[in-house]
Amino acid sequence: QLQLQESGPGLVKPSETLSLTCTVSGGSISNSNYYWGWIRQPPGKGPEWIGSINYSGSTFYNPSLRGRVTIFVDTSNNHFSLSLTSVTPADTAVYYCARPKQLAVGGCFDLWGQGTWVTVSS
Amino acid sequence: EIVLTQSPVTLSLSPGERATLSCRASQSVSAYLAWYQQKAGQAPRLLIHDASNRATGIPARFSGSGSGTDFTLTISSLEPEDFAVYYCQQRSTWPLTFGGGTKVEIK
Repeated sequence: QLQLQESGPGLVKPSETLSLTCTVSGGSISNSNYYWGWIRQPPGKGPEWIGSINYSGSTFYNPSLRGRVTIFVDTSNNHFSLSLTSVTPADTAVYYCARPKQLAVGGCFDLWGQGTWVTVSS
Repeated sequence: EIVLTQSPVTLSLSPGERATLSCRASQSVSAYLAWYQQKAGQAPRLLIHDASNRATGIPARFSGSGSGTDFTLTISSLEPEDFAVYYCQQRSTWPLTFGGGTKVEIK
């Protein structure tokens, strides 16, 4: 069945760029028009949606991240990636990739990766 | 953005009791509200989508209701595995937003 797996560095220095990849296995990103998402969860807090992308590269971002975020898709390698620039300790969180239940733009998420912990510290 | 306020923050109950969790939106989200359950060290698990529809494999003791700005998640009779944190999420408007959570703990 379809599975998602996040990968990337667990430690990033302040002011640098956080880069994560979500690899999709058991199915193709291109098969349906899902808006695949990145969601993060700081320690002890609720989840925060970061942004979403579909197979053609159409994106939606959370304005709270003030232009620091880029999400891009690589259909040939069946993965999508997150880039978050100028990180601060406030960006320390568990980062999840997820697939929405709905094909429509804007969904709730019924399939999640296991999450990857990212610490921002010098 | 639409702010989701969950109450109470903590709910202390015993197994077998009924749990009633609330989620209030700062503006109407129609029926585009979901509920998740999260246990320590795990990703959130979708329970309810579009206010009242149970996700695949979710037991019938979980039910959702509401529309517009006021929503409720009810667990009819708490099982030991139901003690966890619950979040609501709206998909009516970008950006997608989540509530701050309700922790259901054992009394």
